[in-house]
Amino acid sequence: GQNIDQPTEMTATEGAIVQINCTYQTSGFNGLFWYQQHAGEAPTFLSYNVLDGLEEKGRFSSFLSRSKGYSYLLLKELQMKDSASYLCAVRDATGANNLFFGTGTRLTVIP
Amino acid sequence: DSGVTQTPKHLITATGQRVTLRCSPRSGDLSVYWYQQSLDQGLQFLIQYYNGEERAKGNILERFSAQQFPDLHSELNLSSLELGDSALYFCASSVRPEGTYNSPLHFGNGTRLTVT
Repeated sequence: GQNIDQPTEMTATEGAIVQINCTYQTSGFNGLFWYQQHAGEAPTFLSYNVLDGLEEKGRFSSFLSRSKGYSYLLLKELQMKDSASYLCAVRDATGANNLFFGTGTRLTVIP
Repeated sequence: DSGVTQTPKHLITATGQRVTLRCSPRSGDLSVYWYQQSLDQGLQFLIQYYNGEERAKGNILERFSAQQFPDLHSELNLSSLELGDSALYFCASSVRPEGTYNSPLHFGNGTRLTVT
């Protein structure tokens, strides 16, 4: 089975840095994704990690440790528009390689 | 705009009824996924198709069914609807079923289903 845990809510200040953690336990592992979802809208792809280490993409970075079943998404220079839910998703290693999502972390950026 | 088109955007219907949700994947994408998102719930995987064939099933109820047509669009059929089926239903597509870094899932804007 799959178990993916993220904090439910976080608040951070505009211009600051925030780290959103994700821990997972899956039957096989074949990559971890981060998506951003504004309320009532479609999730949009942010990053993908399959090897240990840090992937940097502009203001967003994502880290993976496979041995610890742990990932984080780092958002720098926070902007008000970054207020959204951030979804951690794990691709399993069964034949279908399906993507399983955590319940998401709702981030609120305050002035 | 992800390129994935879902219709209708909103659907209101009564318990016991049947509805069909439609999805057109991005041009060139062969794989289609359906997800359900209830209030304050994560995205729950329902079913996946690849090039017209069912590839994987998740927590899809027997009252629900889906198919992918030769032109690669997909339909999700929900029958004997219950109040608890009210949710956002997302379709996603990718070039390959594996969803790699260069082929992530691209989501449509969803269909909001309200069962009264």
